Amino acid sequence: GQNIDQPTEMTATEGAIVQINCTYQTSGFNGLFWYQQHAGEAPTFLSYNVLDGLEEKGRFSSFLSRSKGYSYLLLKELQMKDSASYLCAVRRDDYKLSFGAGTTVTVRA
Amino acid sequence: DAGVTQSPTHLIKTRGQQVTLRCSPKSGHDTVSWYQQALGQGPQFIFQYYEEEERQRGNFPDRFSGHQFPNYSSELNVNALLLGDSALYLCASSLEERSYTFGSGTRLTVV
Repeated sequence: GQNIDQPTEMTATEGAIVQINCTYQTSGFNGLFWYQQHAGEAPTFLSYNVLDGLEEKGRFSSFLSRSKGYSYLLLKELQMKDSASYLCAVRRDDYKLSFGAGTTVTVRA
Repeated sequence: DAGVTQSPTHLIKTRGQQVTLRCSPKSGHDTVSWYQQALGQGPQFIFQYYEEEERQRGNFPDRFSGHQFPNYSSELNVNALLLGDSALYLCASSLEERSYTFGSGTRLTVV
């Protein structure tokens, strides 16, 4: 099995920056994904890291440290539409994709 | 380009009944995974189908079974439904595990 931990909730102001941390313990690590999920909708892909370092994609960036079992998702210039649940997911060599419980981000005006 | 399509969108069943959920993968994708998402939780891996075979399975009882057809579409079957099976069931398709595209899910309520 594996443990994937991320904070339950975070609140930030419109225009600000928020960092969502994810820690994991797993064998056979084969990549880490971040997904955004609005209430009642499908998760949508945000980022993928398999090597250490930072991946930047517009307002969203994701970082991975395999030795520390740690990742973060950075959301810049927050907009009201960024209010959603953010899911950290770890893939193993056996193709299983396991999710954390999700972090609910609330953006306030 | 059609994404992942799931049907039905909502379903209400009685305890003890059986249910079949359907998934059509994104065009070009050959692998289908099923997830159960309880309210306020992350998706839990049920199983994955590739080349019409179950390739991996999560910690779900045998009441949960599936099938993949030659056109890559898939079904999830749940027998002897329990109240605890009430959840959002998500299907995700992929090609060579590069990325996973999720459908909007089927909301199953067991009463």
